[in-house]
Amino acid sequence: DTGVSQDPRHKITKRGQNVTFRCDPISEHNRLYWYRQTLGQGPEFLTYFQNEAQLEKSRLLSDRFSAERPKGSFSTLEIQRTEQGDSAMYLCASRPTGFWTGELFFGEGSRLTVL
Amino acid sequence: DQQVKQNSPSLSVQEGRISILNCDYTNSMFDYFLWYKKYPAEGPTFLISISSIKDKNEDGRFTVFLNKSAKHLSLHIVPSQPGDSAVYFCAASARTQGGSEKLVFGKGMKLTVNP
Repeated sequence: DTGVSQDPRHKITKRGQNVTFRCDPISEHNRLYWYRQTLGQGPEFLTYFQNEAQLEKSRLLSDRFSAERPKGSFSTLEIQRTEQGDSAMYLCASRPTGFWTGELFFGEGSRLTVL
Repeated sequence: DQQVKQNSPSLSVQEGRISILNCDYTNSMFDYFLWYKKYPAEGPTFLISISSIKDKNEDGRFTVFLNKSAKHLSLHIVPSQPGDSAVYFCAASARTQGGSEKLVFGKGMKLTVNP
């Protein structure tokens, strides 16, 4: 399978715990994006990387959230001290270099449930 | 504020008939408009897009129309097939001087095509 891969697919945690999600983009895609989707809403932009550089962060990305892409390949999204409001689907997407038109390749998502 | 609006949460059509999905936007700086399709337990997949300098783009059974003066776009699917049953998201992007690559999504609309 050569699509965007996300792990784990589902995570259930207790409030206050830390969680980490991993995203493996399509090979040779240098742009990587994180989105969050809550129930009944469309995906909301969180952040994006060009290679290892984090170029833009949404105000939705509070201090408890940190995203990295240390070697310009896979990326991690960590949420510290989780809150019930963090329950959502976390989507990763990637695209190859080139003119931005909005076309992204999304993974299947990592669903977070905070109890 | 909701910059991209999909006011109808659902639509049901008969196989073989036309499906028309509507989307309104408020930001005149958007330069690309896209439709993504999402099946349950999968990530969104890109369907079709249109540049703000065009008023129509067609790809097989899918046609997107853009009315800039009304800040409105629509997706036409004809003929509709049961496999088209999914949630459809309207999305828009705006390039900025800072090179933002952020998509703004609507809330989505569930299309059901009945055999």
